[in-house]
Amino acid sequence: DSGVTQTPKHLITATGQRVTLRCSPRSGDLSVYWYQQSLDQGLQFLIQYYNGEERAKGNILERFSAQQFPDLHSELNLSSLELGDSALYFCASSSGSPANEQFFGPGTRLTVL
Amino acid sequence: GQQLNQSPQSMFIQEGEDVSMNCTSSSIFNTWLWYKQDPGEGPVLLIALYKAGELTSNGRLTAQFGITRKDSFLNISASIPSDVGIYFCAGRGTSGSRLTFGEGTQLTVNP
Repeated sequence: DSGVTQTPKHLITATGQRVTLRCSPRSGDLSVYWYQQSLDQGLQFLIQYYNGEERAKGNILERFSAQQFPDLHSELNLSSLELGDSALYFCASSSGSPANEQFFGPGTRLTVL
Repeated sequence: GQQLNQSPQSMFIQEGEDVSMNCTSSSIFNTWLWYKQDPGEGPVLLIALYKAGELTSNGRLTAQFGITRKDSFLNISASIPSDVGIYFCAGRGTSGSRLTFGEGTQLTVNP
């Protein structure tokens, strides 16, 4: 158990809908990272927050947004969902920025029908 | 942007054999990390490397940070069935905090 929690574990929704994925980092970690992993592919970095502020942005679509709250949990919002958004979404946390060791949560499997 | 080439893409070995996989980068990295991912689970950190030339072991796993700072390898000795999974390398460049991940090596161990 990495100490990073993600909810929900599974999410099934329809095209055009909007969903919110939630992540709680390890106790004491200030940085949260979001990754997307499509079937049989590697991990694509989406976005990083550090202590409530956006710190780095990767290949995140304009339909996606994220935020980190004062209690350091983070939410990833995905809107106008398309079939191609079906993937595993992982959250990771680390103690600082720049990151060295990142610890991953169990992921949320999103299926868009 | 930074790119990582991880090889091989897949390996099929017999239980007891040793395994080696590596990653090369188009640019210099300050940190190399190796993760293992089981199906449907999150990646689990195996080894972290912070200095060029550093050689670090974790049980039957050994990883090295290349002298050029553009490569790293992971060795698994005396493989066992529970070593099955996808192994990812990840590196952090000289600026910024994001990690770049390799495409993964799918390891299959036949009993």
